[in-house]
Amino acid sequence: AQTVTQSQPEMSVQEAETVTLSCTYDTSESDYYLFWYKQPPSRQMILVIRQEAYKQQNATENRFSVNFQKAAKSFSLKISDSQLGDAAMYFCAYRASTQGGSEKLVFGKGTKLTVNP
Amino acid sequence: DAGITQSPRHKVTETGTPVTLRCHQTENHRYMYWYRQDPGHGLRLIHYSYGVKDTDKGEVSDGYSVSRSKTEDFLLTLESATSSQTSVYFCAISASGGNTIYFGEGSWLTVV
Repeated sequence: AQTVTQSQPEMSVQEAETVTLSCTYDTSESDYYLFWYKQPPSRQMILVIRQEAYKQQNATENRFSVNFQKAAKSFSLKISDSQLGDAAMYFCAYRASTQGGSEKLVFGKGTKLTVNP
Repeated sequence: DAGITQSPRHKVTETGTPVTLRCHQTENHRYMYWYRQDPGHGLRLIHYSYGVKDTDKGEVSDGYSVSRSKTEDFLLTLESATSSQTSVYFCAISASGGNTIYFGEGSWLTVV
């Protein structure tokens, strides 16, 4: 069964600094997607970034980038130039991309990020 | 925004009563998921569906049943609600093999 582990229940960062959130996963699939979602207090789930496993290049979206290590099954999120609005819960998620197969979407337990002014 | 709505958004119910939450989509996506979110547990999968009348259990399915009689609707039923089922419930949808997941806004359920 696929599992996703976020080992940091809470993290904090100073405004304008850089922070990295960790995520590891376990799967026997070769094709899959990995996601980072942000959940502010409103509980809305906001996609931050996604990575296709077949792509070796790490995904980037403005101040957000990932370090995808397929062999190590690691998918960390780096937030550069942290802003107060980045404070939220962050969830790492995995989904197999095999059509017709089991396409469960599995989440980690989340990391609460605090941004200090 | 994706066409996904959850109803009701907020509900308070008594222990032992049945409760049904509805997830409705206008995207014609194959996959639909129900999650519950609790502090310290993240989002845990209750049940999911991969087509009309095709459903499977997630990691926390005990006490819950689901039905999907048409593509656009995925119903989550608590046959006899218990206080441990007080939670925020999220529905999500996705196309088969798709890399985009859409979430509903959540349903807050309190069982007293």
